[in-house]
Amino acid sequence: KQEVTQIPAALSVPEGENLVLNCSFTDSAIYNLQWFRQDPGKGLTSLLLIQSSQREQTSGRLNASLDKSSGRSTLYIAASQPGDSATYLCAAGIIQGAQKLVFGQGTRLTINP
Amino acid sequence: DGGITQSPKYLFRKEGQNVTLSCEQNLNHDAMYWYRQDPGQGLRLIYYSQIVNDFQKGDIAEGYSVSREKKESFPLTVTSAQKNPTAFYLCASRAWPSGANVLTFGAGSRLTVL
Repeated sequence: KQEVTQIPAALSVPEGENLVLNCSFTDSAIYNLQWFRQDPGKGLTSLLLIQSSQREQTSGRLNASLDKSSGRSTLYIAASQPGDSATYLCAAGIIQGAQKLVFGQGTRLTINP
Repeated sequence: DGGITQSPKYLFRKEGQNVTLSCEQNLNHDAMYWYRQDPGQGLRLIYYSQIVNDFQKGDIAEGYSVSREKKESFPLTVTSAQKNPTAFYLCASRAWPSGANVLTFGAGSRLTVL
């Protein structure tokens, strides 16, 4: 059974720092890995999607990498801003077609001005 | 604007009552999903539907029921058989089988059992 873990559960950094969020999964047989952002009491917004054949994806200040062999993905945020404060969740896609996602517990990120 | 609308945003229920959460999308997406989120935990899949009049159980379907009579609508009923229904419920959709694999989520419905 696929399990997805995100450590740490919470992270607080000063504004302007570069930071890395970690995601690990137990079964390398995934077909994609997605990163989402969730603001308090809100739904999820998709940030980046990495297909299993890809190593990384970039969008603005965000860069996500995928290493299937080690069961790891990272989300790199450059030049962090207070507006980046949110919970970040990763999810592994495990069944093609049905798009079943297994989510991690999330990392609650706080950027201090 | 295209998107997913969930209602109500907040719902309070007495024990023993069934409640229905609404999910409507105008994205012309084929597949729709219901997830449950508990504090400090990731999302868990309740039910999903890839086409009209067809749906499958997810990982935690017990105590829940759904219907898919129209492409744009996928309501979730939380029945009295659900032992711990207090949670944040999220509906999502995706174009299927073609199209991007990205899920679009609604804003969520928070259910509290009194």
